[in-house]
Amino acid sequence: ETGVTQTPRHLVMGMTNKKSLKCEQHLGHNAMYWYKQSAKKPLELMFVYNFKEQTENNSVPSRFSPECPNSSHLFLHLHTLQPEDSALYLCASSQDPSGSSYNEQFFGPGTRLTVL
Amino acid sequence: AQKVTQAQTEISVVEKEDVTLDCVYETRDTTYYLFWYKQPPSGELVFLIRRNSFDEQNEISGRYSWNFQKSTSSFNFTITASQVVDSAVYFCALRGQGSNYQLIWGAGTKLIIKP
Repeated sequence: ETGVTQTPRHLVMGMTNKKSLKCEQHLGHNAMYWYKQSAKKPLELMFVYNFKEQTENNSVPSRFSPECPNSSHLFLHLHTLQPEDSALYLCASSQDPSGSSYNEQFFGPGTRLTVL
Repeated sequence: AQKVTQAQTEISVVEKEDVTLDCVYETRDTTYYLFWYKQPPSGELVFLIRRNSFDEQNEISGRYSWNFQKSTSSFNFTITASQVVDSAVYFCALRGQGSNYQLIWGAGTKLIIKP
């Protein structure tokens, strides 16, 4: 596998379910990101992990819980979601998220989530 | 405050036409970086180009070219001789200096290339 992979690609869940999204990067990067992409809205950054440490949480509701066990894997645990959480969830990675570098982010294909 | 504006929500052209996607940005930083990404129907955002604020040289890559003008705070993207495979949503993004590594994203322009 190369690049950034995400599973599952599609997920339908009820509001009482618990599910997890998985992201894996094969690029040797240090930072990983979760984004939410809703229809007709700009990309929203949710979480950033740098060397496995969470460095950014953009006021995301607690029903979204990230986990980063190592620099190559990132999870997004979901529970008691709302229908408005239905969106495309994109994972990205970059080599160096610090301000001293401009490293671009590389994205996975996303998980299309539908909450019923 | 930083902001990226892509005023064109959707553009539709016939194959082989040239098309320009506009991107206007706002930032007070003296050092910043601009990006273009392509999102085909498959969903994955594909990195196209990065440009830093000190390099105003235009860039050409095959049928793609980018025109960076600091005087007008614009970073426009032109596709020459468009092809159906160019159909996608294109995003412009800005990253300022300092430890804030967040990308500020435009709303995207949906490009439809008709055969």
